[in-house]
Amino acid sequence: AQSVTQLGSHVSVSEGALVLLRCNYSSSVPPYLFWYVQYPNQGLQLLLKYTSAATLVKGINGFEAEFKKSETSFHLTKPSAHMSDAAEYFCAVSNSGGYQKVTFGTGTKLQVIP
Amino acid sequence: SAVISQKPSRDICQRGTSLTIQCQVDSQVTMMFWYRQQPGQSLTLIATANQGSEATYESGFVIDKFPISRPNLTFSTLTVSNMSPEDSSIYLCSVSRDVDSGANVLTFGAGSRLTVL
Repeated sequence: AQSVTQLGSHVSVSEGALVLLRCNYSSSVPPYLFWYVQYPNQGLQLLLKYTSAATLVKGINGFEAEFKKSETSFHLTKPSAHMSDAAEYFCAVSNSGGYQKVTFGTGTKLQVIP
Repeated sequence: SAVISQKPSRDICQRGTSLTIQCQVDSQVTMMFWYRQQPGQSLTLIATANQGSEATYESGFVIDKFPISRPNLTFSTLTVSNMSPEDSSIYLCSVSRDVDSGANVLTFGAGSRLTVL
């Protein structure tokens, strides 16, 4: 069974500051890892995914995440926060073969302070 | 990527009634997924719906409470039966869309927000 833990249900950053959203995973098999973003009253959208290629993954809107097997982490970062980044972010994990059930974390709401 | 339309977008329902949520996809897909998103909790997979076969339910979800139909490759419905306030939640339809990497990348509808009084 797989799971993800997102540290911090709410994160506040100033506009222009570094964004760091934390995600740790648990998986008994090589995982695929994802970050999704949900804007108010919208469905989730894929930000980026890790599928066992490069450990540093770049996504849309300037976000990136690094897969660190030794730390079982997949933290999401962005060098400079923009007001439009305010949203809820979900980390997710699936196994890398067969039936790939996707398991989501509890989400982190990002607030960007002007 | 696929575009998913869900109806209703929101509804307020009375205890004991049932509500059917519709999910329409603009392209044919093999697998469709129904998730529940409760406040402060992670998205929880309810069931996987394949065309032409019974839906596969996750632990804690049963067909009598959440019957699902999948009449063709572009449409599915989820019914929330005999609702109670605990069923107040956002229900999301999703499909797999990524074939290049082999990963199960999901595309979601905007969700149906149900409030049960």
